[in-house]
Amino acid sequence: SAVISQKPSRDICQRGTSLTIQCQVDSQVTMMFWYRQQPGQSLTLIATANQGSEATYESGFVIDKFPISRPNLTFSTLTVSNMSPEDSSIYLCSASGGAYEQYFGPGTRLTVT
Amino acid sequence: GEDVEQSLFLSVREGDSSVINCTYTDSSSTYLYWYKQEPGAGLQLLTYIFSNMDMKQDQRLTVLLNKKDKHLSLRIADTQTGDSAIYFCAEKEGYQKVTFGTGTKLQVIP
Repeated sequence: SAVISQKPSRDICQRGTSLTIQCQVDSQVTMMFWYRQQPGQSLTLIATANQGSEATYESGFVIDKFPISRPNLTFSTLTVSNMSPEDSSIYLCSASGGAYEQYFGPGTRLTVT
Repeated sequence: GEDVEQSLFLSVREGDSSVINCTYTDSSSTYLYWYKQEPGAGLQLLTYIFSNMDMKQDQRLTVLLNKKDKHLSLRIADTQTGDSAIYFCAEKEGYQKVTFGTGTKLQVIP
């Protein structure tokens, strides 16, 4: 199994600023993903973080708003840019090391004021 | 695209069995999962089932899969107050993304 840590665990940010969330996996994984969970909602995939190439974004999410990096097989970052109150959510990092394995980090709780 | 539906709310008495249902649309799903999320906490993987299975049992948990009807259920035997949480079903095709259901809030009445 893989253990995923995220930093920060929570933050309160001002409108118009940006926040970078870090995700660290304790072992090398094939795939890494970023999800958003808005208050009272289910999880929505933002993008798949590809190692060595640009991330693959889901419909409704764009690179300018959510730039993602994945420099190696254990680390990824998600930046939430030019934040507005609508970006207040929990952001979760996920990793897959094999076909059925799917692990999730503890999440980053973001509040935008 | 994929669509995973669940009823929003379920209330049961402590000691009874809970059955949480899920329907999905993607016939190419390879794995189906049940996750538990307690208030303010992260996601906990409870169990998963491979799409060529029709049942999986793990202690108090029983997963039933009807692939023809694209219906997945989670039965929790002897439900306890500590089982109160939101339960998400999810599906995955191979190494691809996981698509989550809408979530079912389980309330256990003492």
